[in-house]
Amino acid sequence: DTAVSQTPKYLVTQMGNDKSIKCEQNLGHDTMYWYKQDSKKFLKIMFSYNNKELIINETVPNRFSPKSPDKAHLNLHINSLELGDSAVYFCASSLLGDQPQHFGDGTRLSIL
Amino acid sequence: DQQVKQNSPSLSVQEGRISILNCDYTNSMFDYFLWYKKYPAEGPTFLISISSIKDKNEDGRFTVFLNKSAKHLSLHIVPSQPGDSAVYFCADSRKNLANTGNQFYFGTGTSLTVIP
Repeated sequence: DTAVSQTPKYLVTQMGNDKSIKCEQNLGHDTMYWYKQDSKKFLKIMFSYNNKELIINETVPNRFSPKSPDKAHLNLHINSLELGDSAVYFCASSLLGDQPQHFGDGTRLSIL
Repeated sequence: DQQVKQNSPSLSVQEGRISILNCDYTNSMFDYFLWYKKYPAEGPTFLISISSIKDKNEDGRFTVFLNKSAKHLSLHIVPSQPGDSAVYFCADSRKNLANTGNQFYFGTGTSLTVIP
């Protein structure tokens, strides 16, 4: 039983396309996150949701739109993909916003 | 604006010896510090944490030390085992400016290889 699962694991697509990454957690956690790990291995927070409400929104282009239909799901939709969006995207969850996070295994996004 | 730095990208240690991983931070507002371990093709896994009111926390073979005056955090693994070979990330946390949640800042990781 995977605690935090994200799909797909790999995503290869053309520049300009729109794509979504899904994330689900079965831990009963209240807070969910999206992180981006770039080519320099720098893991940077993008968004944080608590009980379906956005609480952290870092300086991320508005082509990225998170959607939380319920507190167990936080999906990431990306419009008009650019070469610089190539990265590994990690979803995570925590019981509360100040607790250690449980991470998914990442989605490797490659833009051609 | 890298607020958390792990200056050693890699470290090799003989099995049975001590591994010491280091992390420096710039923001004195950080009040909670964590270490994560990451295997290839997997997400980071929480290892150990320390609050800013402490200077040491121990869990089995893993000990984290916090030196607030030097803004320095270290993870000691003793004895090191081959299964400890992974990338280790330190992360620091503080309330965000809007006080609506915690902001976590991660280092770029140190790849540890434990040689049998």
